[in-house]
Amino acid sequence: NAGVMQNPRHLVRRRGQEARLRCSPMKGHSHVYWYRQLPEEGLKFMVYLQKENIIDESGMPKERFSAEFPKEGPSILRIQQVVRGDSAAYFCASSPPAGGTQDTQYFGPGTRLTVL
Amino acid sequence: KQEVTQIPAALSVPEGENLVLNCSFTDSAIYNLQWFRQDPGKGLTSLLLIQSSQREQTSGRLNASLDKSSGRSTLYIAASQPGDSATYLCAVTSGSRLTFGEGTQLTVNP
Repeated sequence: NAGVMQNPRHLVRRRGQEARLRCSPMKGHSHVYWYRQLPEEGLKFMVYLQKENIIDESGMPKERFSAEFPKEGPSILRIQQVVRGDSAAYFCASSPPAGGTQDTQYFGPGTRLTVL
Repeated sequence: KQEVTQIPAALSVPEGENLVLNCSFTDSAIYNLQWFRQDPGKGLTSLLLIQSSQREQTSGRLNASLDKSSGRSTLYIAASQPGDSATYLCAVTSGSRLTFGEGTQLTVNP
């Protein structure tokens, strides 16, 4: 059973470009979470999604950031018009459908975004 | 708003020593508490999960306790090894999210 997969592992973008980060949850998991780890800071919750639904996006910046988890395919975190302050490690986690947020969240290896 | 604090921020010990990492949280209405390990430039590895109704969990040389009423958890590492060197993160689940502490950076010297 493959774990949570994220790609790319490393992403370099210039200011103003778009960044797309992908997350494939563990098999059978229908809950996906995105977290951001800024340099020298802890992990911060961004968004919680179920298939085709955003459940909680209270941690997402109001502008330029969006997330989706379509019926088919991976979850996507999209950052438009990136700025240097978006440079961070972005982690995806998934959990099974039964317990929802009370179950263990399994983390992917992260995508390290560098904005030049 | 839930806040998680970890003490100490960094810890350096000689190999073989037993050690305790501390975590405190401000809102006791949690579903569970997890301890993670993060190696430099890597993802998170879940070490132990304690449900809110439990008092402790053990895995090998690791033992985690939870006192929900006082908002505290400890991670005890027995007979530390250089391979234990990493950042240890405490996180609580409340609502739809994990709230993480800033972590304790552990160095075990051979």
